[in-house]
Amino acid sequence: DTGVSQDPRHKITKRGQNVTFRCDPISEHNRLYWYRQTLGQGPEFLTYFQNEAQLEKSRLLSDRFSAERPKGSFSTLEIQRTEQGDSAMYLCASSFRGQGRVGEKLFFGSGTQLSVL
Amino acid sequence: KQEVTQIPAALSVPEGENLVLNCSFTDSAIYNLQWFRQDPGKGLTSLLLIQSSQREQTSGRLNASLDKSSGRSTLYIAASQPGDSATYLCAVISTGGFKTIFGAGTRLFVKA
Repeated sequence: DTGVSQDPRHKITKRGQNVTFRCDPISEHNRLYWYRQTLGQGPEFLTYFQNEAQLEKSRLLSDRFSAERPKGSFSTLEIQRTEQGDSAMYLCASSFRGQGRVGEKLFFGSGTQLSVL
Repeated sequence: KQEVTQIPAALSVPEGENLVLNCSFTDSAIYNLQWFRQDPGKGLTSLLLIQSSQREQTSGRLNASLDKSSGRSTLYIAASQPGDSATYLCAVISTGGFKTIFGAGTRLFVKA
């Protein structure tokens, strides 16, 4: 168990540029979540994958945001035409469905801190 | 719509004190409640998970309780240490959806 890995740890970009983040979940975990967190707030749900299927997307996720999880392994989150309001910590979490939702425990990565100038 | 509230927003205590952090949620139809710790600029570390049928869970100096009917959970930290300084977040998985809903957290500072 090497934990959830996110890359990069920090990203500084200019407004209007596209950025892509990567998340590698714990290997046996079939559920993967993306969250966004701003200073002083709890994480806000963005989207959820079960294996390769994207089952839920938040209304926070505008058309500029897209997420994929090819082959049910790693996931990418892309933000197109970044805006200053996109500056936040982007967190990835994974969990294992085996125990059912009652026993579902989320494991988080260290996050990607995005700064849009 | 599920909402999670944490009180207090911030707390400063001297080392050695026992303390309680509070979490409330509006919809009692949950699968579980999880407490996390977050250090500045870092990801979240899971501390305790309480399933909906359980009343409490313990790990070391930490004890979490759950009263689903009243929509409340508490995290009790015994004999606090400066290393406990962090933000503590609670989160619930509602039965109506996939996502975990978080509170805004309690920022704890333990003074040496």
